[in-house]
Amino acid sequence: RKEVEQDPGPFNVPEGATVAFNCTYSNSASQSFFWYRQDCRKEPKLLMSVYSSGNEDGRFTAQLNRASQYISLLIRDSKLSDSATYLCVPNSGYALNFGKGTSLLVTP
Amino acid sequence: GEEVAQTPKHLVRGEGQKAKLYCAPIKGHSYVFWYQQVLKNEFKFLISFQNENVFDETGMPKERFSAKCLPNSPCSLEIQATKLEDSAVYFCASSQKGTGVNNSPLHFGNGTRLTVT
Repeated sequence: RKEVEQDPGPFNVPEGATVAFNCTYSNSASQSFFWYRQDCRKEPKLLMSVYSSGNEDGRFTAQLNRASQYISLLIRDSKLSDSATYLCVPNSGYALNFGKGTSLLVTP
Repeated sequence: GEEVAQTPKHLVRGEGQKAKLYCAPIKGHSYVFWYQQVLKNEFKFLISFQNENVFDETGMPKERFSAKCLPNSPCSLEIQATKLEDSAVYFCASSQKGTGVNNSPLHFGNGTRLTVT
């Protein structure tokens, strides 16, 4: 079983919409997580770190549900520039394992 | 430096030729990681270093791939006798502490796009 499962999408949403992605993880020992975003043909960039129940940073909110072993990322008032692939990464083990992520396309 | 610096940005090699990629981690970061991403697919972890010591090499192909992190030099990833399937973007990342530790995300370089023809 993969360490992380994400809906690959693509999620197509209009500008200004609210969109949420879920990510389920298999390792119950994972204590913290990262959300990265990757723009086309670019390197992944850290979006948020999630340590406890969640984290909020401006339009972005991440929540961690340990009982159900999933984390979510909510983007409010989405912008065209939010179009990217969002990668959920558990911080466990000796290397961060990145899946394929969820693709988001925000349209005018 | 303040960023992970990878060189070259693009590299084209004929099948069977050698390819060598370089990575300078962020100053003060003890851990270096190499990942391979083929056609925007999943990142494949290759190898990590703690300073100049191999930390985890479970992702490294047994043949043709080697990597080093020597003191006072950029880290390097070398592929002997490249094959078509080695075409990918190779990302290097560094972190202050090892993974599994809070507040220790990976910071990525811009990647090296290797094309094997």
